[in-house]
Amino acid sequence: DADVTQTPRNRITKTGKRIMLECSQTKGHDRMYWYRQDPGLGLRLIYYSFDVKDINKGEISDGYSVSRQAQAKFSLSLESAIPNQTALYFCATSDSHRTEAFFGQGTRLTVV
Amino acid sequence: QKEVEQNSGPLSVPEGAIASLNCTYSDRGSQSFFWYRQYSGKSPELIMFIYSNGDKEDGRFTAQLNKASQYVSLLIRDSQPSDSATYLCAVWNDYKLSFGAGTTVTVRA
Repeated sequence: DADVTQTPRNRITKTGKRIMLECSQTKGHDRMYWYRQDPGLGLRLIYYSFDVKDINKGEISDGYSVSRQAQAKFSLSLESAIPNQTALYFCATSDSHRTEAFFGQGTRLTVV
Repeated sequence: QKEVEQNSGPLSVPEGAIASLNCTYSDRGSQSFFWYRQYSGKSPELIMFIYSNGDKEDGRFTAQLNKASQYVSLLIRDSQPSDSATYLCAVWNDYKLSFGAGTTVTVRA
C-alpha cells in the first residue's frame, strides 16, 4: 500500500457542485500539503498544515478549504467547483522543513 | 519574479548523452534543494537533494548548488530512454516546498 493515499483518483463533477478530495498517510509525518498542478505551471501550494490545529493558506487558496481530521488525514474541499479548477491535485507529507516531501498518487479532477 | 525558475525546454538529447537542467531561485534564505522526476500523469518522485554548495553525485545523476548565484543544476549522464520525463526543481523556504514549472526531457534512441 502507498504511504500517501489519495481518493478518488479521478473525478468528473459539474460546475457549482461541492467536492472533497481526501488524503491519508501512514508515514507518521506532522506536515501535510495540498498542491495543484496545471500544464506548464508546476505545482502550486493550496494549503498546508503543520499539525491538527495549525492550518495555513498557500499561494492559491481562493475557492478551496481544508480539514485536518487527524494527524494522518487531510482533506481538500471545493465548495462550489468551477471549470478553471480542473487540474491534477497532489497531497504531500514531510517530517520537517528540510527533508523531502512524499506525494500521493494524485487526483485528476475535471469540472464541466 | 517567480520563486523558482527552470530552463523551459523541452530538452531532447540522444541516448548516451548528458542532459543538463538548470534552476534559479529567488529566496536567498532557502536551505534545501531537490530534483524530482515526474512521468506523465504520475506523482513526482525524488531523485536528488542537496543542502550544501558544490556537487553531489548519485549514480548517473549529479546535482550542483551555488548559493551565491542562487543556482541549482542537475546533470544526467549516459541518458537512457527511461530518463524521458519532466524534471521539477524544488526549493524549501520557511514553510513550503516551491516548485519550478519543470523541464521535459526526451531521450531519443
